[in-house]
Amino acid sequence: ETGVTQTPRHLVMGMTNKKSLKCEQHLGHNAMYWYKQSAKKPLELMFVYSLEERVENNSVPSRFSPECPNSSHLFLHLHTLQPEDSALYLCASSQGGRGMPGPPYGEQYFGPGTRLTVT
Amino acid sequence: SQQGEEDPQALSIQEGENATMNCSYKTSINNLQWYRQNSGRGLVHLILIRSNEREKHSGRLRVTLDTSKKSSSLLITASRAADTASYFCATDRGSYGKLTFGQGTILTVHP
Repeated sequence: ETGVTQTPRHLVMGMTNKKSLKCEQHLGHNAMYWYKQSAKKPLELMFVYSLEERVENNSVPSRFSPECPNSSHLFLHLHTLQPEDSALYLCASSQGGRGMPGPPYGEQYFGPGTRLTVT
Repeated sequence: SQQGEEDPQALSIQEGENATMNCSYKTSINNLQWYRQNSGRGLVHLILIRSNEREKHSGRLRVTLDTSKKSSSLLITASRAADTASYFCATDRGSYGKLTFGQGTILTVHP
């Protein structure tokens, strides 16, 4: 596998379920990101990990819980979601900063996304 | 404040024509990037232009950046039906390469 992969590609879950989204990057990058893309809205940055440490939590509700066990894997754990959480969830990775906040960071490589429907 | 606002919101052209999309932003940036997204899929990086650069080319793509006007444009020359997609500009203006995306331009190229 090359690039950034995401599983599952489609997920339908009830509001009381618990599920996890998985992202894996095969590019040797040191930063990973979760984005949410809803209809009619710009991509929203949710979380940023640099060298497996969370460095950004963009006011995301606690029903979304990220996990980065190593630099190649990123998870998004979901529980008690709401219908308005239905969206395309995109994972991305990039290289830069050597774990520091400063530039330069390179372009981001995105996975194909997980289409989430909350019923 | 909203960064990376693109215009037009939608653009419809014939194959062979050029397509120009514009992006405006509000605060200083480290770099500006353009991405393409085919319907409901992941984003594909097209070009990154740094704040000290004014123009960049990649194949049929030409990007300009005017930091005094806080604006950028993406030109696709000799468009093809396969260029049909949504195009987004994104600004890197903070730390850890965090990007702020605009709403995007939906480009339709008719064969």
